[in-house]
This record gives sequence, C-alpha cells and structure tokens, in this order.
Amino acid sequence: VVLTQLPATLSLSPGERATLSCRASQSVRESSLAWYQQKPGLAPSLLIYDASVRATGVPDRFSGSGSGTDFTLTIANLEPEDFAVYYCQQYGYSPRTFGQGTKVELK
Amino acid sequence: QIQLEQSGPEVRKPGASVKVSCKASGYTFSTYSFTWVRQAPGQGLEYMGWIGGHNGNTVYAQKFQGRVSMTIDSPTNTVYLQLRSLTYDDTAVYFCARDDRGRSDYWGQGTLVTVSS
Repeated sequence: VVLTQLPATLSLSPGERATLSCRASQSVRESSLAWYQQKPGLAPSLLIYDASVRATGVPDRFSGSGSGTDFTLTIANLEPEDFAVYYCQQYGYSPRTFGQGTKVELK
Repeated sequence: QIQLEQSGPEVRKPGASVKVSCKASGYTFSTYSFTWVRQAPGQGLEYMGWIGGHNGNTVYAQKFQGRVSMTIDSPTNTVYLQLRSLTYDDTAVYFCARDDRGRSDYWGQGTLVTVSS
C-alpha cells in the first residue's frame, strides 16, 4: 500500500492550524493508520493510531480523521514544539508502509 | 518506565554484516512484538519487518528477504537485527520499536550503521 503525504512542506506560524493529508493507494483495512512526529536527531513518536485515537500523553490540539483511502492529521493552534516532520503509516496490510513525510516549518 | 535501549554506532565495510541489539525494560517482554525501521540520511522511514516477542515469529519486508534476520533473547529481554551483505545504501539509523497491535508506541534511540570502505 503506497501512502502519499501532501504537502511535502507546510510553512506556518505559531497559533495557526496545520492540516496534513495522507492518501492510500487502496482502502486501509479497519482504519489501521497511525501518525508519528519526528524531531531532528530523535526517534519518531506515536501521535495517533487507528486513524483517530490520540496516543497517551498527546495534547488534544492533535487530531486525526479519515477512513478508506483519505486521512488527515490536524494540529490546531501550532505550538513552537510542533515544528517537526510528520509521517503516516498503515498497518492493515503486510508490509506496513510509511508515507514520505510532511515537514511543518516555521514561516 | 518503558525503555528500549539500543547498541552503539557501527562501521562496516561493504559485504560485511552487522548486528544491532535492542534491550527492553519496564514491561513484560513477551506480551509485545517488535518492529525494525530504518532511516537513511535525510530520508524518510522504511519498515524492515516484525518479530513476535512471545515466540520469535518473523515477517520481513520483501526488500530485505534473504539478508535480514530478527531474533529475540527472552532471558535478557533483548531483540536483535542482523543485516548481511551490506552495501553503501544500507547506511542509515536503525530503530527498534515496540509493536502494540500494529502501531509502534515506544521507540529505541536509534543506532547509526555506516557502510564505508
């Protein structure tokens, strides 16, 4: 399953809303889709799983939605620590696959 | 607290093999599986495969079939990744992650493997 993330780069200011898209080449089984955040030099961290469930400790400004082939990660009111790269991953089919990432950068 | 501690950086020549370890602590090792993911310099995340923490069953991504092995050592709560016949394209940071029904909820810090002559 190929995951396409758009846009590749999102230039925004703190306080703005970020909308990240992840489109799958086929319907993702049981909404088995996760979102990860990665900051430079660090391992990814789980934000959202099962398309819309926030992982433990994730602030509620992060939300996930979607089903089938179209999924969205929304970050409301960007905080300075939210500027990072975000990856979607599907785990409904083997092999699991990642999108190529969306970089949210400071405008 | 749950932690995954990976082994240190490695340098290998082309054609050689490398073995990376990932020691888990803070939870019951056998109740979760593991995945391995790698990231080449400046690139995205690439899934390599999965190993069951209870029985050591494995599923490898087709790209790595034949030259990758994932194993577990339950007494030491450690999972291993071995990659053989290394090429320059295998230069990357290799991450282990705990697998919870498909999602990777805890990650190791990463191990840099450099392939250089």
